[in-house]
Amino acid sequence: EVQLVESGGSLVQPGGSLKLSCVASGYTFSNYWMDWVRQTPGKSLEWIGEINTDGSKTNYAPSIKDRFTISRDNAKSTLYLQMSNVKSDDTAIYYCTRSTTDWGPGTMVTVSS
Amino acid sequence: DVVMTQTPVSLPVSLGGQASISCRSSQSLVHSNGNTYLHWYLQKPGQSPQLLIYRVSNRFSGVPDRFSGSGSGTDFTLKISRVEPEDLGDYYCLQSTHFPPTFGGGTKLELK
Repeated sequence: EVQLVESGGSLVQPGGSLKLSCVASGYTFSNYWMDWVRQTPGKSLEWIGEINTDGSKTNYAPSIKDRFTISRDNAKSTLYLQMSNVKSDDTAIYYCTRSTTDWGPGTMVTVSS
Repeated sequence: DVVMTQTPVSLPVSLGGQASISCRSSQSLVHSNGNTYLHWYLQKPGQSPQLLIYRVSNRFSGVPDRFSGSGSGTDFTLKISRVEPEDLGDYYCLQSTHFPPTFGGGTKLELK
């Protein structure tokens, strides 16, 4: 059974940084592209970006504007999302997904002073 | 970005009844490879979205045949027949033909 478990969400001040993690199990992590998707308090879903199987290629939503970085460690079956210069609009539940097919339960990020 | 418009926003249904949700895109979702990357998700209360239908009409593993997807080009429909209590929640469409992938605004399926 595919399992994805995110962690690292917390309260962070505007302009601050945060790193989210997602541990995968139940399948061969290194064989799949991975994505991050977020859901705002108003429930809108927004695709953030993706990373290829060996971590050599990433694609991001233009709205992210170079503030977020996706990476992965295949030896640890772990996906990461480095968030920097966060804004109040980044307040959301962040989901790790296996190519938007399988989703983790999400981790909450709140940006507030 | 491709804008995905879902209607209705809220859909009251009776258990055992039928529901139909529409998703329209601002441009054709037919990829240059001939495939159409339009997918449907259900988000039950307190849970993350779960894939129901992929590429317009293909049911994901374990999804009952009460769920069916159809459509082409810019107009797509998800139909749920014989609605059961576990079908209640928020439904979203997602297009991944064009970059970046974009979601519809959601449709809340609730009891009448």
